[in-house]
Amino acid sequence: GENVEQHPSTLSVQEGDSAVIKCTYSDSASNYFPWYKQELGKRPQLIIDIRSNVGEKKDQRIAVTLNKTAKHFSLHITETQPEDSAVYFCAVRDDKIIFGKGTRLHILP
Amino acid sequence: DTGVSQDPRHKITKRGQNVTFRCDPISEHNRLYWYRQTLGQGPEFLTYFQNEAQLEKSRLLSDRFSAERPKGSFSTLEIQRTEQGDSAMYLCASSSPGQGRYEQYFGPGTRLTVT
Repeated sequence: GENVEQHPSTLSVQEGDSAVIKCTYSDSASNYFPWYKQELGKRPQLIIDIRSNVGEKKDQRIAVTLNKTAKHFSLHITETQPEDSAVYFCAVRDDKIIFGKGTRLHILP
Repeated sequence: DTGVSQDPRHKITKRGQNVTFRCDPISEHNRLYWYRQTLGQGPEFLTYFQNEAQLEKSRLLSDRFSAERPKGSFSTLEIQRTEQGDSAMYLCASSSPGQGRYEQYFGPGTRLTVT
């Protein structure tokens, strides 16, 4: 079955700097890649997604890139703010969602 | 509130007891999913329904777990003879191929603690 690896598990960045989270997947047939943000005690929230027919997608301070040949995709957050502190999950979606193990992002003042 | 709802939000039970959780999806959504999330991990897929049909079950869903969606609306997840390893957040999500096909909307979860 599909396997999703996510790195790093923890990331601390200074407020205003950029954060990058990277993921790899195993099934070359996968074609939809969502990213979720989960704050403590809350449900996962979809923040951005990308389909296999595009290489990059941007939404304000958040961007995602996809390299289908290498089977990896990344989340980029620019100009980080305190409210960006959360756990971020990459995922691959077929019918079900296969999540990565998550990255705990700390924004330092 | 027209989102996905789950009941109860918290459940504490003793090892060996049975528990049942309920999920009410967004009303027009025909797909319903169950996930389990343990502390510090990502959610793991358990099973999903399209209308009342259970289409896929994970290997994580042992014989002690059973899920139903009898009328294609709400769903229940039952765990029999609970074990401490069952302690987790149980998340439900729903989606509709006719509405933004790929997005699943998550409920607030049911946190189970087995003592």
